[in-house]
Amino acid sequence: GQQLNQSPQSMFIQEGEDVSMNCTSSSIFNTWLWYKQDPGEGPVLLIALYKAGELTSNGRLTAQFGITRKDSFLNISASIPSDVGIYFCAGQLEGSFGNEKLTFGTGTRLTIIP
Amino acid sequence: KAGVTQTPRYLIKTRGQQVTLSCSPISGHRSVSWYQQTPGQGLQFLFEYFSETQRNKGNFPGRFSGRQFSNSRSEMNVSTLELGDSALYLCASSFQVNYGYTFGSGTRLTVV
Repeated sequence: GQQLNQSPQSMFIQEGEDVSMNCTSSSIFNTWLWYKQDPGEGPVLLIALYKAGELTSNGRLTAQFGITRKDSFLNISASIPSDVGIYFCAGQLEGSFGNEKLTFGTGTRLTIIP
Repeated sequence: KAGVTQTPRYLIKTRGQQVTLSCSPISGHRSVSWYQQTPGQGLQFLFEYFSETQRNKGNFPGRFSGRQFSNSRSEMNVSTLELGDSALYLCASSFQVNYGYTFGSGTRLTVV
């Protein structure tokens, strides 16, 4: 099945550092979403972006919807231990019935080095 | 407000058996989607139901099926299990106008 290209695949950082990850697609999307998944749990929605060029923040998280509608990035500032996990981007189209399925990225695994 | 509830959390089945997984969406949410998550393929869309009707279906064989009841609860069924069906199966619900899907904790299916 289709997956979006997400990079980097993994990151090893120290507490307090800023983090940046991005997601690209060969197709355009109407909505970009960013999720975080902890071990043994389902993904939790962090930020939703609905318009090309939109820049949205949620606390230390900032995400942008690319102008071409084919990419998005997520920044985390001043990382803390609870930021550890796997981050997924997801693109969504709007079809005749409303919101269509989510197409997920390959994930970025964030690890904080003590 | 209760989240999306999936049961059971863990399941071990033998090849050739069938399995039924259950999902109770957030109260008021009428859309329920199912996803399969594996290390190799990542998160892949299975199907989506809205008001008891399947609106969308992913690229999975016919052994994978689902349904939604009038109270929006949903079940998915996998028949003639194969080893490759071992995965975390995630259910997500959404209110029609809410673009953000809320996921449950998933059912971890192991086929031996």
